[in-house]
Amino acid sequence: KNQVEQSPQSLIILEGKNCTLQCNYTVSPFSNLRWYKQDTGRGPVSLTIMTFSENTKSNGRYTATLDADTKQSSLHITASQLSDSASYICVVSAAGGSYIPTFGRGTSLIVHP
Amino acid sequence: DADVTQTPRNRITKTGKRIMLECSQTKGHDRMYWYRQDPGLGLRLIYYSFDVKDINKGEISDGYSVSRQAQAKFSLSLESAIPNQTALYFCATSDLRGISYEQYFGPGTRLTVT
Repeated sequence: KNQVEQSPQSLIILEGKNCTLQCNYTVSPFSNLRWYKQDTGRGPVSLTIMTFSENTKSNGRYTATLDADTKQSSLHITASQLSDSASYICVVSAAGGSYIPTFGRGTSLIVHP
Repeated sequence: DADVTQTPRNRITKTGKRIMLECSQTKGHDRMYWYRQDPGLGLRLIYYSFDVKDINKGEISDGYSVSRQAQAKFSLSLESAIPNQTALYFCATSDLRGISYEQYFGPGTRLTVT
């Protein structure tokens, strides 16, 4: 069964600090991995997408990494801002078939001033 | 205007009532999805549709039904609502083209069943 596990479940940091969120998956065969940001009460919005051949991808202060061999991804947030407070969801899609993505349960990040 | 809209945004209903949640999109995407989100459980797929004539059950379809009235419209129905269907419901769309299959989510409908 395809699964996506995220850690930590929740995280509290001070404004200006960096943090790293983790995602482990068992989805196979692998097609792509996305990180979504979900603000409270809103729908998720895509931050990055990574395919098999990509190791690192940045989107402003967000940097995602992918290790396809160990089936792990991380999302690093640099110089956090209050607006980074949100849930971050790792989503992995399998190749072939229906391409229905598998969602992680998310990491809830709170940035305090 | 938003690309994916959901109505209503909030709804309180009683046990046993029939309720319909509606989703419309202007992105021209073929694929549409319905998810529910519960605290600590993440997003779970209820139903998905690849085109007007193609409807598929997701992992938690029991107690729900859907209708794809047009490429742009996908409705979710609760025939007889029960309290454990209280949740945040999201509609999403994605494009068949390319491999990225990014999903675009609506703003959500908060449903409370008393």
